[in-house]
Amino acid sequence: AQKVTQAQTEISVVEKEDVTLDCVYETRDTTYYLFWYKQPPSGELVFLIRRNSFDEQNEISGRYSWNFQKSTSSFNFTITASQVVDSAVYFCALRGYSSASKIIFGSGTRLSIRP
Amino acid sequence: GAVVSQHPSRVICKSGTSVKIECRSLDFQATTMFWYRQFPKQSLMLMATSNEGSKATYEQGVEKDKFLINHASLTLSTLTVTSAHPEDSSFYICSARVELGTNYGYTFGSGTRLTVV
Repeated sequence: AQKVTQAQTEISVVEKEDVTLDCVYETRDTTYYLFWYKQPPSGELVFLIRRNSFDEQNEISGRYSWNFQKSTSSFNFTITASQVVDSAVYFCALRGYSSASKIIFGSGTRLSIRP
Repeated sequence: GAVVSQHPSRVICKSGTSVKIECRSLDFQATTMFWYRQFPKQSLMLMATSNEGSKATYEQGVEKDKFLINHASLTLSTLTVTSAHPEDSSFYICSARVELGTNYGYTFGSGTRLTVV
């Protein structure tokens, strides 16, 4: 069975602080994809990143960085120098490699950035 | 990039009536679309997988007669909530699988907030 766990339900930090959102997953697939999505108050899901299981290289995109650790089944997301506009719910998600696989979402982490 | 347009963004209906939500792929053909439901402060729960030209595959616990899904063309999937009740009030989001060469991606609609009064 596949499962995505985001243990942090809510996080609140002051602007300019760095913040890390944790994501732990379970899967029996040897090849799979991991995702992060942002859901602002308006509701739409904004795609942030997709990571293949065979590529453990960490990625940085501006203030965003992702740390993929296959050994611990974790795919953590760090926002550096957070801004108020980063306030949203962030979802980590998992999908198997098969074209028939479904995306399984974590329960989300509500991030609030205080000015 | 691949865009999915979902309408309406917000709808209020009376209990007992039916509501149709549309999900269109604007610049690509979507053979597979997904419908999710999201309760306040909760995650997205997959309701069904919609394949063009065939019957939708519903997740366990989702009433297929309650949530009718039609995927008659490669660019349109619809979700009809029949005989809606207040407990059907939720945020519904569609998603389409996007072919990326030998790989796949997913793009999401902007969601529909349904309120049944």
